Amino acid sequence: DAGVTQSPTHLIKTRGQQVTLRCSPKSGHDTVSWYQQALGQGPQFIFQYYEEEERQRGNFPDRFSGHQFPNYSSELNVNALLLGDSALYLCASSPIAGGGEQYFGPGTRLTVT
Amino acid sequence: GNSVTQMEGPVTLSEEAFLTINCTYTATGYPSLFWYVQYPGEGLQLLLKATKADDKGSNKGFEATYRKETTSFHLEKGSVQVSDSAVYFCALSDLLIQGAQKLVFGQGTRLTINP
Repeated sequence: DAGVTQSPTHLIKTRGQQVTLRCSPKSGHDTVSWYQQALGQGPQFIFQYYEEEERQRGNFPDRFSGHQFPNYSSELNVNALLLGDSALYLCASSPIAGGGEQYFGPGTRLTVT
Repeated sequence: GNSVTQMEGPVTLSEEAFLTINCTYTATGYPSLFWYVQYPGEGLQLLLKATKADDKGSNKGFEATYRKETTSFHLEKGSVQVSDSAVYFCALSDLLIQGAQKLVFGQGTRLTINP
């Protein structure tokens, strides 16, 4: 049973550029959430997707946007990158009828220079 | 809003020592509570969970009990191993609109076990 997968593993971008990160959820899961984890901190909720729509957003600017596809996979897009966007971006999936637990992928390490 | 507070780290222990990592939470209602573990260079792995008061979650020798009266969910293990070295995160599920749930994490506690 494949778990949550993310690509790419690492990414280096220049300030002002745009980036797209990808996530495939665990089999049987239909809800995808994205988190940003700064170095030495706990993950912070960016947004959640279900039925191809954004259900809820955390305290992140509109530069952060996403998409969910019919096969439940998801993308996270960040425009106009800032140095402060450097972080580990984690995708998590869950079944809509679950008990609140989420299953995380290995993350994408984004470095903005 | 809902929040989670973990004990300050880092924590360094010798192999076979007893481990406690404190976690307290602030929440309206009765969220589910979780412990996640993050090994170097990896994502988060669900270690254990508890969904209601007095529930005890357990896995791989780790235990935590959902204490409503003290709003706590402390992680314990009777005898740690070098392989337990990792960062541990306490989290709660925060119910959002339309039935969505997000996880709210503590700041993490880095645990190092010396042989």
